[in-house]
Amino acid sequence: DSGVTQTPKHLITATGQRVTLRCSPRSGDLSVYWYQQSLDQGLQFLIQYYNGEERAKGNILERFSAQQFPDLHSELNLSSLELGDSALYFCASSVSLLSGGHNEQFFGPGTRLTVL
Amino acid sequence: GEDVEQSLFLSVREGDSSVINCTYTDSSSTYLYWYKQEPGAGLQLLTYIFSNMDMKQDQRLTVLLNKKDKHLSLRIADTQTGDSAIYFCAESPAPVDTGRRALTFGSGTRLQVQP
Repeated sequence: DSGVTQTPKHLITATGQRVTLRCSPRSGDLSVYWYQQSLDQGLQFLIQYYNGEERAKGNILERFSAQQFPDLHSELNLSSLELGDSALYFCASSVSLLSGGHNEQFFGPGTRLTVL
Repeated sequence: GEDVEQSLFLSVREGDSSVINCTYTDSSSTYLYWYKQEPGAGLQLLTYIFSNMDMKQDQRLTVLLNKKDKHLSLRIADTQTGDSAIYFCAESPAPVDTGRRALTFGSGTRLQVQP
């Protein structure tokens, strides 16, 4: 158990809909990362938050957004869903040292999203 | 941009050594990681190596880094059936801007261990 929790575990929805995925980081971790794992794109970084602020963006679509709340949990919002959005969405957290140092990211179990 | 490549599949017999290879393009990578993903599970960090090291050993795992060729390998000694999983190589950039530490992953190598 990594200490990172994600809900829900599975989500099935229809095209055009909007869903929210939730992540609670490990106690004490300030950084949250969202990754998408799909068969055709592999494991891709979407977005990073650090202590409530967006820190880095990867291959995140404009239809997707995220936020990190004062209690450090994070939500990933996916809207106008398409079939190709079906994937496993992982959240990871780390202490995220700002200068040097090994930055181990602890991954949650993921949310499997199926868009029909 | 950053790119990490791995072979897709490796099959070994139980008790043999497994060697999983990875190449990366970002010369500014400071840390390189190996993650393991078992079916239906998240990613588990196995080991990591700092870019100024050539080798790191951790029990059955040996990581070799050839920085000149940007080549990383993971050797698993005495491979067991429980080692069957997908292994991801990942790199992390130098934290040149505060806090940006996202990982770039390879496509993963599926290791199949035959009894």
